[in-house]
Amino acid sequence: AQKVTQAQTEISVVEKEDVTLDCVYETRDTTYYLFWYKQPPSGELVFLIRRNSFDEQNEISGRYSWNFQKSTSSFNFTITASQVVDSAVYFCALNPIGGETSGSRLTFGEGTQLTVNP
Amino acid sequence: NAGVMQNPRHLVRRRGQEARLRCSPMKGHSHVYWYRQLPEEGLKFMVYLQKENIIDESGMPKERFSAEFPKEGPSILRIQQVVRGDSAAYFCASSPLGIEQFFGPGTRLTVL
Repeated sequence: AQKVTQAQTEISVVEKEDVTLDCVYETRDTTYYLFWYKQPPSGELVFLIRRNSFDEQNEISGRYSWNFQKSTSSFNFTITASQVVDSAVYFCALNPIGGETSGSRLTFGEGTQLTVNP
Repeated sequence: NAGVMQNPRHLVRRRGQEARLRCSPMKGHSHVYWYRQLPEEGLKFMVYLQKENIIDESGMPKERFSAEFPKEGPSILRIQQVVRGDSAAYFCASSPLGIEQFFGPGTRLTVL
């Protein structure tokens, strides 16, 4: 069985601060994908990144960066110089590859509500 | 290439009525997934379908809920005899290969 834990329920920062959203996962599968999604107040789900378990290189995309550490089963997400438009709920998710549920469900964390204040 | 379409975006039903939620996957995508998001919670998997087949329905409530993905037309999530606890956002996702899932805008169901 898979489990994704986002221990931070809510985070509040002031604009231009850096903020890191934590994600810890559990899986018995040796290969899997990890995802981050953003859910702004309008409610839709916006895909941010996919990472497979073979690739532990960190990734940077503009103000966003991701730190994947297989040894600690963590896939943390950092926003640099946060902006008010970053205010949203952020979800981390896991999808196994090649196992019984391969190609099947995404297991989501409970989400972190990020509020960026001006 | 249009994204995943869901309709209606908002649906209001009285207790005991039926709710039908529709999802049109992206062109070329044969994998469809339904998730439910209860208020203040994360998304929970409900069912995974390919054309005309239910692959995994382990997340579906045993009663009142059903899903289909016919050869022609959209995928349908059907909730019979709705209760207040069914009020939630229902998201559909589609995928070409069953890995990366593209989400629709969701249907927000309110049961009065």
